[in-house]
Amino acid sequence: SAVISQKPSRDICQRGTSLTIQCQVDSQVTMMFWYRQQPGQSLTLIATANQGSEATYESGFVIDKFPISRPNLTFSTLTVSNMSPEDSSIYLCSVESGVSEAFFGQGTRLTVV
Amino acid sequence: GDSVTQMEGPVTLSEEAFLTINCTYTATGYPSLFWYVQYPGEGLQLLLKATKADDKGSNKGFEATYRKETTSFHLEKGSVQVSDSAVYFCALRTQKTSYDKVIFGPGTSLSVIP
Repeated sequence: SAVISQKPSRDICQRGTSLTIQCQVDSQVTMMFWYRQQPGQSLTLIATANQGSEATYESGFVIDKFPISRPNLTFSTLTVSNMSPEDSSIYLCSVESGVSEAFFGQGTRLTVV
Repeated sequence: GDSVTQMEGPVTLSEEAFLTINCTYTATGYPSLFWYVQYPGEGLQLLLKATKADDKGSNKGFEATYRKETTSFHLEKGSVQVSDSAVYFCALRTQKTSYDKVIFGPGTSLSVIP
């Protein structure tokens, strides 16, 4: 199994500002995933972060809005840029461990006012 | 494309009632199937999984069987408790280019009342 720590756990931000979310894993992993969970909705994959290369973004998500860093095999950051109230969501970091399981951090609950 | 469909909630049950949450999927190939649970204010936890047809995943009294012929993975529990109140997500993992992608259903909210 993998233990994932996310910071911050929650934040309230002003529109137009940016927030960087950190994800730390207790073991080395190849792929790290960032998801968004809008209020009352399911999870939507934002991007996949592979160490040493640019992140791969899903349809509807762009690097300018959600820049991602992956400096090593245990750490990644997701920045939510130029925020608007529509960005209010829970953002979750995930890694894969073993044959098929995905593990999730506790999430960052973001409110944009 | 690949997708997961779940029964709509919210579902409200009395304690000790029988629970079924339906889940069906559409996927090419042979995906792995999962149920995740999200307790209030928390992240997702893996509840159970099945990686091939006819496999039964089980954990904490919950069970689900991978039915390839009906493309289903229904979650069941014989006797629910108040502590089972949470949102349940059915998910599948499929191969996409060089990595596996997890696709989630919309989630089913369960409330168990004493």
